Amino acid sequence: KAGVTQTPRYLIKTRGQQVTLSCSPISGHRSVSWYQQTPGQGLQFLFEYFSETQRNKGNFPGRFSGRQFSNSRSEMNVSTLELGDSALYLCASSLGGQGVGTTDTQYFGPGTRLTVL
Amino acid sequence: GEDVEQSLFLSVREGDSSVINCTYTDSSSTYLYWYKQEPGAGLQLLTYIFSNMDMKQDQRLTVLLNKKDKHLSLRIADTQTGDSAIYFCAESILGGADGLTFGKGTHLIIQP
Repeated sequence: KAGVTQTPRYLIKTRGQQVTLSCSPISGHRSVSWYQQTPGQGLQFLFEYFSETQRNKGNFPGRFSGRQFSNSRSEMNVSTLELGDSALYLCASSLGGQGVGTTDTQYFGPGTRLTVL
Repeated sequence: GEDVEQSLFLSVREGDSSVINCTYTDSSSTYLYWYKQEPGAGLQLLTYIFSNMDMKQDQRLTVLLNKKDKHLSLRIADTQTGDSAIYFCAESILGGADGLTFGKGTHLIIQP
């Protein structure tokens, strides 16, 4: 079974621009989560989509948005880029079970390395 | 708020056991995870433990959970050079879809 794929793997943008990152989950997985990884803040949860709906959200400004398509593929958009948005953006997919007593193992993709100049 | 703490570095000799420690603050944590990240790669799930368990063993990996002290450890037996990586401890209340809260990661350095 193919793993989680993310495109592009590397991206360079300038301040003020916007960017769209893509994530294709493992076949059969309906949940896609996005994380930002930086040396200073570590790994931080952005948001999670399930069946085309944002179900959970981290503590990031509205410049960070996402969506999920009917085939479970997801995109993440960052508008008005800032230098501090430079990071590795990781996508994770899972079956989508939620709730105490359920297990929902997340499988991570290799990430997209975004550099903002 | 939720917080997960790990020491930043651990150095061990090849063949010895490695023990990576983690503490967390959220008593509602239901699942606790260990992930491995190699240079230039994403995160690989190593193992997870449900909060009503004390121990879980999987080949060379042993996870110990002390729920009273909110302390989690990962023991890697017979550490090899291929185990060199960053190890992340993470916690979740709803099994992961609610977003994992990660520690900053422990760099495991293997000495020959």
